[in-house]
Amino acid sequence: DGGITQSPKYLFRKEGQNVTLSCEQNLNHDAMYWYRQDPGQGLRLIYYSQIVNDFQKGDIAEGYSVSREKKESFPLTVTSAQKNPTAFYLCASRFLNEKLFFGSGTQLSVL
Amino acid sequence: GDSVTQMEGPVTLSEEAFLTINCTYTATGYPSLFWYVQYPGEGLQLLLKATKADDKGSNKGFEATYRKETTSFHLEKGSVQVSDSAVYFCALRGTGGFKTIFGAGTRLFVKA
Repeated sequence: DGGITQSPKYLFRKEGQNVTLSCEQNLNHDAMYWYRQDPGQGLRLIYYSQIVNDFQKGDIAEGYSVSREKKESFPLTVTSAQKNPTAFYLCASRFLNEKLFFGSGTQLSVL
Repeated sequence: GDSVTQMEGPVTLSEEAFLTINCTYTATGYPSLFWYVQYPGEGLQLLLKATKADDKGSNKGFEATYRKETTSFHLEKGSVQVSDSAVYFCALRGTGGFKTIFGAGTRLFVKA
């Protein structure tokens, strides 16, 4: 079945550590997105990519980095510069003007 | 810039009650409007959408009408079930845009 796979489901970060969240899709979608979800605040866009080897900052990109070396993969790195990383992270993809398809999310917590 | 405002929750209803969740938006041009639903511990799923004024989106008994004159896209259901308990997000995407803007979400609890 086609879909988006995020891993791991739960991730813990130590002070000063970089961590990488995985997002893989087999839907053949060009556009991919990373959102951060905090309780009561809805979804905020971190980064998005329209095509391979290209990506743009969203509204809250500071402290995060991404890469898009393959169409099916869009990993997100939460760097040590992100001082408040605890949140639920959602990856999504989209084909042309269709709906967003979401993964099941990664809950990141700080030890 | 574009924005979406939806009613704060939580909303608590008894089974078979009528549901309305209000959503208003600010955008230039003619955005596409969406309602997404999120069940506990999961990602979002599209519930319904409307792409032009006066369109009505519908799915699983839920409906919403794109009202350009009031810049609204309120979600309604005539008779809710316990299984409808979830968080509902109103969203928009501008004409030709790549970004989808989400509201803060409204949590719905339905009691048996």
